[in-house]
Amino acid sequence: GEDVEQSLFLSVREGDSSVINCTYTDSSSTYLYWYKQEPGAGLQLLTYIFSNMDMKQDQRLTVLLNKKDKHLSLRIADTQTGDSAIYFCAEKKGPGGYNKLIFGAGTRLAVHP
Amino acid sequence: DTGVSQDPRHKITKRGQNVTFRCDPISEHNRLYWYRQTLGQGPEFLTYFQNEAQLEKSRLLSDRFSAERPKGSFSTLEIQRTEQGDSAMYLCASSPEGVDTQYFGPGTRLTVL
Repeated sequence: GEDVEQSLFLSVREGDSSVINCTYTDSSSTYLYWYKQEPGAGLQLLTYIFSNMDMKQDQRLTVLLNKKDKHLSLRIADTQTGDSAIYFCAEKKGPGGYNKLIFGAGTRLAVHP
Repeated sequence: DTGVSQDPRHKITKRGQNVTFRCDPISEHNRLYWYRQTLGQGPEFLTYFQNEAQLEKSRLLSDRFSAERPKGSFSTLEIQRTEQGDSAMYLCASSPEGVDTQYFGPGTRLTVL
């Protein structure tokens, strides 16, 4: 998606933390999302954050939002081999967008022993 | 509730043929979306239904594409006169009224030879 940018690849050691970054362009976006996609599968909703929040934590996942810089990050604590997948950042367009999501190209996370 | 289902999971067709895909959303979800995902990219929005009304269509949805949701439950996406460029994963998602999260199905992978 031309409005959302992500780095393409991240490699981490099992047990370390992973941080996946995303930048978006629409300041009117109300919600931002992280989805996970495993090979040949659909998208699994991991977590989301409302635009008036700075941080959201959900078990091993922490989402940080810097609205001024339009920067979103996903931190995965104690990364496991089962976390290997493609992670997509998405923004919900502002009023009138009918909840249409704009996705980044995805970050491929590789977890090695 | 078994989630969003899509049928078929895979479709191989020859250029010029017509294909039709089906999506069954999560029951009680009145909003339904179609997205297309090409290799190495994030999903791109195609169209959106609220109940049986098609409220938004992307410019990606050429005249060869048509989507319906006749009774406000399942939806079909038809592609006429398929082209090689139509090869992609077609994803369906649904969400309930007033909730800003979309739940995706496993997708239909189309290969046009």
